[in-house]
Amino acid sequence: DAGVIQSPRHEVTEMGQEVTLRCKPISGHDYLFWYRQTMMRGLELLIYFNNNVPIDDSGMPEDRFSAKMPNASFSTLKIQPSEPRDSAVYFCASSYLDRVKSYGYTFGSGTRLTVV
Amino acid sequence: ILNVEQSPQSLHVQEGDSTNFTCSFPSSNFYALHWYRWETAKSPEALFVMTLNGDEKKKGRISATLNTKEGYSYLYIKGSQPEDSATYLCALGRGEGSQGNLIFGKGTKLSVKP
Repeated sequence: DAGVIQSPRHEVTEMGQEVTLRCKPISGHDYLFWYRQTMMRGLELLIYFNNNVPIDDSGMPEDRFSAKMPNASFSTLKIQPSEPRDSAVYFCASSYLDRVKSYGYTFGSGTRLTVV
Repeated sequence: ILNVEQSPQSLHVQEGDSTNFTCSFPSSNFYALHWYRWETAKSPEALFVMTLNGDEKKKGRISATLNTKEGYSYLYIKGSQPEDSATYLCALGRGEGSQGNLIFGKGTKLSVKP
């Protein structure tokens, strides 16, 4: 089990550019979550999927952010256009419902995004 | 807006001290309460998941208790060691069809000095 795999680990981009973050959840997990971690707001949920379907995207800051999960093994979070205030660490996590009651989420290593 | 509150925000203790921190949450529609340990430059790792009022869980020197009626959980560390230095997050899972979703507190950052 390779765990939740995120790429890239670090991304530095210029303001206005498109940024795509990628996540491969653990095989068999039916929930996938995108979180953003900042000093001010801590770990905040952006969007989560259940069986590849977006369930709650109320945490997505604005229309510049979009997320997709085309299949059970892959998800993307896209920011277009990026702004300096988007600089943060973005975490992907996966789980299945029984684990929420038993073992919790498994987090990826995160993508540190810097927009200059 | 649901708030999961953790206190204190940060804590500095000496090696060998025992310590505890608090997680407070709204008690309605309770589903599960998670504790995670988050070391710098790593990703959060699950410590405990508790679902029943009165639950107590233990892993080595770390233990946690849960009171769902009054909406709080305590995390205890006995005989703190430098390797316990990390941010400890609690997260609330609620019912109403959103059982898979967790709401995280901002964490308690623990620093243990040798």
